[in-house]
Amino acid sequence: QVQLVQSGSELKKPGASVKVSCKASGYTFTSYGMNWVRQAPGQGLEWMGWINTNTGNPTYAQGFTGRFVFSLDTSVSTAYLQISSLKAEDTAVYYCAREPKHFDYWGQGTLVTVSS
Amino acid sequence: QSALTQPPSASGSPGQSVTISCTGTSSDVGGYNYVSWYQQHPGKAPKLMIYEVSERPSGVPDRFSGSKSGNTASLTVSGLQAEDEADYYCSSYAGSNKGLFGTGTKVTVL
Repeated sequence: QVQLVQSGSELKKPGASVKVSCKASGYTFTSYGMNWVRQAPGQGLEWMGWINTNTGNPTYAQGFTGRFVFSLDTSVSTAYLQISSLKAEDTAVYYCAREPKHFDYWGQGTLVTVSS
Repeated sequence: QSALTQPPSASGSPGQSVTISCTGTSSDVGGYNYVSWYQQHPGKAPKLMIYEVSERPSGVPDRFSGSKSGNTASLTVSGLQAEDEADYYCSSYAGSNKGLFGTGTKVTVL
């Protein structure tokens, strides 16, 4: 069965970096794109962008350029989200979700807390 | 790009129906038949309930249905049950390989 398993919660100081992983299983990793979605505490879902798992080409939504980087390691069927120069407002749950036009499978979410 | 507009809340008694709207523009909801709906219970990951406007994934009850007219899509939950109480989000393809979510609607079963 299809599964997306994300790395565990992170507590980081402002200015630090964090890398969240999303390991896929149960399907051919390069057959489906991988999206990233942010949900700040008590807030709605925000589409951050997606990465083409075939070509490695990322697409970023407005507001998620510069400090946010999507990457892949296809040898282990894993997608990554790296956030640099962390700010308090980056505190959120980050989800990976399969497919570019609708999101049929989701990871369990990774809570990133940014606090001094 | 701004989020798609949904009402903040909706409610109904068990057995009744509730309809949630999702308003966008001709560049997203109105321009493509790639509207999807997600159910999210507190502390859980979202779950796909409807895709491509009105298609239901396997395992989703047929009490959930979707439609679209112009720039507005709708999700209807018929025969409301206690477990339907959750947050619901719409999403649309917005061209150039980009997506967009709605503002979210909290559904309460009275």
